[in-house]
Amino acid sequence: DIQMTQSPSSLSASVGDRVTIACRASQGISNYLAWYQQKPGKVPKLLIYAASTLQSGVPSRFSGSGSGTDFTLTISSLQPEDVATYYCQKYNSAPGTFGQGTRLEIK
Amino acid sequence: QVQLIQSGAEVKKPGASVKVSCKASGYTFTGYYIHWVRQAPGQGLEWMGWINPNSGGTNYAQKFQGRATMTRDTSISTAYMELSRLRSDDTAVYYCASYYGSGLGAFDFWGQGTLITVSS
Repeated sequence: DIQMTQSPSSLSASVGDRVTIACRASQGISNYLAWYQQKPGKVPKLLIYAASTLQSGVPSRFSGSGSGTDFTLTISSLQPEDVATYYCQKYNSAPGTFGQGTRLEIK
Repeated sequence: QVQLIQSGAEVKKPGASVKVSCKASGYTFTGYYIHWVRQAPGQGLEWMGWINPNSGGTNYAQKFQGRATMTRDTSISTAYMELSRLRSDDTAVYYCASYYGSGLGAFDFWGQGTLITVSS
């Protein structure tokens, strides 16, 4: 099975900072990658699909890039409400493996 | 609007089974696969498998083959996930999720989650 590895595992940044989270697949998955945001005690929320397509209603400060094995999620200007754990997920074929998550905090 | 409503929290003993339901509304139930994802306390998301509500076909993550059974009742637009031979490390929130497509995809709607606690 293809493994999904996120880095870093946790991150602390200041409001207004540009934040980047990486996700690496152990084999190529084309652009079949999604990013989710999960706030404490809440249901995961889809942010980006097809590696770079912003889900409807998601603020434009979120963006995604990459293809093949290396992907990034970028928050262009961190806001207090962005405190959450972020997960990548592959969906090119089963299993739909998630990355281990990146916990984002405000410094 | 599209909704997935799950059954309530349960406490089970080790070795028992649990069956979680996921009732769909706001769309054609048989049109889109239902996936199950779980999250142990303080841990990440784990994909368990899917069911095709139209055909009843399933695809399980290897880890859950033989222990998880996904079924559906199209008459009431409800999918089920039964997990048998429960262990303490099955304690988790179990989510159903879906998207407007077949097979795997990016899940844009989720149930509210069902906490299953396995404890003696």
